[in-house]
Amino acid sequence: KQEVTQIPAALSVPEGENLVLNCSFTDSAIYNLQWFRQDPGKGLTSLLLIQSSQREQTSGRLNASLDKSSGRSTLYIAASQPGDSATYLCAVNPLVDSSYKLIFGSGTRLLVRP
Amino acid sequence: NAGVTQTPKFRVLKTGQSMTLLCAQDMNHEYMYWYRQDPGMGLRLIHYSVGEGTTAKGEVPDGYNVSRLKKQNFLLGLESAAPSQTSVYFCASSYTRRDGSTEAFFGQGTRLTVV
Repeated sequence: KQEVTQIPAALSVPEGENLVLNCSFTDSAIYNLQWFRQDPGKGLTSLLLIQSSQREQTSGRLNASLDKSSGRSTLYIAASQPGDSATYLCAVNPLVDSSYKLIFGSGTRLLVRP
Repeated sequence: NAGVTQTPKFRVLKTGQSMTLLCAQDMNHEYMYWYRQDPGMGLRLIHYSVGEGTTAKGEVPDGYNVSRLKKQNFLLGLESAAPSQTSVYFCASSYTRRDGSTEAFFGQGTRLTVV
C-alpha cells in the first residue's frame, strides 16, 4: 500500500531564507508526483507536477526534484517571503490502477517570518 | 474560468440529517474525486469516478454515496450525518496530459460540521 510522508510537519523560517520541504513515498511505481499549496481555509493550488521519468521541475522560485528509485521528492523554495506561508502538500499517482487517484502526505505547514 | 466549483461552502447539520454536496467542473475531465481533509491526516479519498455513470469506493467510503449522472457533475451524499463526518470536503477532477502524466484540480472545499 502506497504511503506518503512529509517531514517536518511544521517549519518556521526568517524571510529571505532558502528552504527545502521533504516528501517520501513507499512505492516507486507512480505515474507522477504533484506538489500543492493550501492557504488556510482554502482549496489546493497545484504548484508543480513531475512525471515519473523526470528528475525536476521549476517554476519561478520553486524547484521540485524527484528521485523515484529512493522514493523521495523535495520542494526547494528560494528567497522565501511571508507570502509563501501556507501548507504544502505532496501527492503521488500510483500505477496500481487506472483511476489516477492521488495519495497525499499530511503536509508541511510553513511560516515565513518578516 | 471557473474550474472546479463546490456547493455549498459551509454547512452545519444535526446528527441524522442528510445532505448532498455538489461538485461541478467545466474542463471536460473524465475523472472526478471526493476527498475529506482532517487535521493531521492529510486528504483521504472517499469515492471517485472514471467517467459518466461510473463510481467506485475509495479509502473511506462508509456513510457516503455518490452519483455521476452527468460528466461535469459529481454529487456526494450523506444519508444520515454523524459527528465523525465533520470535516472539510474537497472535490477534484483530473485529466491525462499528452506526456502521460495526470494533473488534478481542486475545488475550494466545503466545511461541514455535524452537531
